[in-house]
Amino acid sequence: NAGVTQTPKFQVLKTGQSMTLQCAQDMNHEYMSWYRQDPGMGLRLIHYSVGAGITDQGEVPNGYNVSRSTTEDFPLRLLSAAPSQTSVYFCASRYVGGTTNTGELFFGEGSRLTVL
Amino acid sequence: GQQVMQIPQYQHVQEGEDFTTYCNSSTTLSNIQWYKQRPGGHPVFLIQLVKSGEVKKQKRLTFQFGEAKKNSSLHITATQTTDVGTYFCAGPFGSNYQLIWGAGTKLIIKP
Repeated sequence: NAGVTQTPKFQVLKTGQSMTLQCAQDMNHEYMSWYRQDPGMGLRLIHYSVGAGITDQGEVPNGYNVSRSTTEDFPLRLLSAAPSQTSVYFCASRYVGGTTNTGELFFGEGSRLTVL
Repeated sequence: GQQVMQIPQYQHVQEGEDFTTYCNSSTTLSNIQWYKQRPGGHPVFLIQLVKSGEVKKQKRLTFQFGEAKKNSSLHITATQTTDVGTYFCAGPFGSNYQLIWGAGTKLIIKP
């Protein structure tokens, strides 16, 4: 199994450009999410999804869109990039259910985005 | 809103010394998770604690969940170079689908 695959690993954008970060998982996980990680800070949730056709906002959703047309894929779209969106982006997925309704998050290797 | 505070931000140790990071939540948690992120890498799940007062060990790592389920700690005995990285705690909030993360504690081994 490949686990969680993110592309691209690195990207440089100019202010105002748009782009899509791709995320795919092959573990049949219902839950998928996007985080951003900035120096000295923990992970901040951007958007998440608990199944195909269902998405919801996290802590820092502004400037980002997501969709979930299949169980496997959860792309993150930057509509009009800004320097404040320079960050490392992680996609993560997990199984939903069990006694606690939370469980191990499996992360992709990250996408390092620089907005000039 | 709900917060998870993690201290210290950094800890410098000599190889062989112990390391501890502490996590405190503003509200009671149903469970808490710990992750390790190596430099340049992605977070990797270490453990999930669910029960009040729970203590779990993984070789040289000891994880504790407080009696009130509002705090947790990770203790590493006799650190090794392979332990270098940032350790994060995370707890669920809202619908339990979301996790709120501590800012992490970076373990640095002094040369």
